[in-house]
Amino acid sequence: EDKVVQSPLSLVVHEGDTVTLNCSYEVTNFRSLLWYKQEKKAPTFLFMLTSSGIEKKSGRLSSILDKKELFSILNITATQTGDSAIYLCAVVKLEDKIIFGKGTRLHILP
Amino acid sequence: DAGVIQSPRHEVTEMGQEVTLRCKPISGHNSLFWYRQTMMRGLELLIYFNNNVPIDDSGMPEDRFSAKMPNASFSTLKIQPSEPRDSAVYFCASAITGGYIQYFGAGTRLSVL
Repeated sequence: EDKVVQSPLSLVVHEGDTVTLNCSYEVTNFRSLLWYKQEKKAPTFLFMLTSSGIEKKSGRLSSILDKKELFSILNITATQTGDSAIYLCAVVKLEDKIIFGKGTRLHILP
Repeated sequence: DAGVIQSPRHEVTEMGQEVTLRCKPISGHNSLFWYRQTMMRGLELLIYFNNNVPIDDSGMPEDRFSAKMPNASFSTLKIQPSEPRDSAVYFCASAITGGYIQYFGAGTRLSVL
């Protein structure tokens, strides 16, 4: 059975800290891995990763994929209170099916 | 573009009633997805359409749930009869090609009493 597991489930840190969110997967016919940020409403797209070892960056956020070990990490440096959200990892299969993890709930304390 | 539009934003209904959720995808997107999100189960894919055709409905919980996409600009998710355990936030998302970057609507928060 396909599964996507995110850890930790919840994380509380102080502003300025660096955090690493983990996503491991066991999925047949892997196509790509997506990261989303969900604040109060709908998830918004952050990154799409298809190749191992190539880091994607957007400001203080970065992500990388390891297709051999079947995981991805999302790093956030110099965290701000606006980074507080649920971060969702999802794997897209070749047949276009998408499986989401349960998410990591991140709370940044001022 | 207005993005993915869902209605209603909130619905409170009594057990046994029929519930219809609506979604208008982004113009030009040919894939549409319905999700359900709860604290316990996270975000679950219910069904997705490609070019108005249902491709995978294996996530639909049971026969009480049905979804239609009569044209490229409109889809509905119906629950009949509704039960308290259906209470959740239901999201619709659309994409240019199935499974790639999906754009989510604001969701419908459903409470079944």
